[in-house]
Amino acid sequence: SYELTQPPSLSVSPGQTARITCSGENLGVKYVSWYQQRPGQSPLLVMHQDKKRPSGIPERFSGSNSGNTATLTIAGTQAMDEADYYCQAWDSNSVVFGGGTQVTVL
Amino acid sequence: QVQLVDSGGGVVQPGRSLRLSCTASEFTFSSYSMHWVRQGPGKGLEWVAGISHDGTNKDYADSVKGRFSISRDNDNNMVYLQMSGLRGEDSAVYYCAREEAELSKSRYLDYWGQGTLVTVS
Repeated sequence: SYELTQPPSLSVSPGQTARITCSGENLGVKYVSWYQQRPGQSPLLVMHQDKKRPSGIPERFSGSNSGNTATLTIAGTQAMDEADYYCQAWDSNSVVFGGGTQVTVL
Repeated sequence: QVQLVDSGGGVVQPGRSLRLSCTASEFTFSSYSMHWVRQGPGKGLEWVAGISHDGTNKDYADSVKGRFSISRDNDNNMVYLQMSGLRGEDSAVYYCAREEAELSKSRYLDYWGQGTLVTVS
């Protein structure tokens, strides 16, 4: 079965850039989505089709996907961006999630 | 505003059954595939099952295949997850989610319910 790998945690200072990676075999040929989950809340879609932001998601969020790695970039990270982030792709009709990256802003 | 409301969770003994429900509103429910995703305590997201817009195609994670069944009622805008043979490792918050699919063949889960907690003990 297809697997997606994310670093478990990432720390970033306010105002700096956070880059969250997601690795999978030949991931660049798949579309990748990203979800943000704050404590006690449901996941929120923040990126789809590798680099498309849903309505209401700040411009500081951007995405890319090439080769074996997809990246979610948060420019000018704010305290409100502190959350868990999950990448997601499809393996036929099955949904595959990465293990999640806990982003701490400090 | 699209809304998904999950319900039906609770405490259940190992080996017993439980049915979860998801009530959808403010969109054309019969046009969308739907999914169930769960999250164990302190763990990440795990896809459980998906069903096509008309209910003809169903897919399951290996961890629940043969024990869980997904279904839908397009007349009443509901999607269900029938869980049987429950185990401790099935304890989780269960979310229903809507799948958006674009002409580009991009697919993603754009709306999620608030989740319902299942505890197997």
